[in-house]
Amino acid sequence: DVKVTQSSRYLVKRTGEKVFLECVQDMDHENMFWYRQDPGLGLRLIYFSYDVKMKEKGDIPEGYSVSREKKERFSLILESASTNQTSMYLCASRGTSGSAQYFGPGTRLLVL
Amino acid sequence: GDSVTQMEGPVTLSEEAFLTINCTYTATGYPSLFWYVQYPGEGLQLLLKATKADDKGSNKGFEATYRKETTSFHLEKGSVQVSDSAVYFCALSGSTWGNFNKFYFGSGTKLNVKP
Repeated sequence: DVKVTQSSRYLVKRTGEKVFLECVQDMDHENMFWYRQDPGLGLRLIYFSYDVKMKEKGDIPEGYSVSREKKERFSLILESASTNQTSMYLCASRGTSGSAQYFGPGTRLLVL
Repeated sequence: GDSVTQMEGPVTLSEEAFLTINCTYTATGYPSLFWYVQYPGEGLQLLLKATKADDKGSNKGFEATYRKETTSFHLEKGSVQVSDSAVYFCALSGSTWGNFNKFYFGSGTKLNVKP
């Protein structure tokens, strides 16, 4: 079975802090994704990566950056956390085109 | 562009009732189609998938058929249980140059099953 893990289930941070969310997958997938999920807004793609050190902006990249130094690990960085970044963050990975995405359990981030 | 539309929720059913959650899509090319389920506080789990027209995906008593002529992928289950209460998402994967890495999700349908 594909396993995608996220570093924290719950996180509380202060406004202005730099926040790192880590995601690791164990299936040697080329593609990895970061989404945020908010009530009434569904899933929105922040960034995705199709190879090591390669990344593309999704629909809402503002205020976020990403890092992929190793194939199995994809990090989401909030350079200066703001209250409007309070959300559920979901990481996913995917193999070849046409295959399913597999999701981690999510990180619920609260920015005070 | 590609998109997915699914029925608004919440859907409330009694245990053992028949379930249908409608999903229609707009896409160029030949997308793969998926249903995901999300339990409270959890990530999305793949429920079933279909990769070409007339394929039927099935898992845990749920099934959906890829209908190209009606651009639909409706989720069905013959007899729901309280444990099926969750949010269900329909999704498609892009299949043309420029979007083959992208997934398009529906807005989700919340299912409540009462004992």
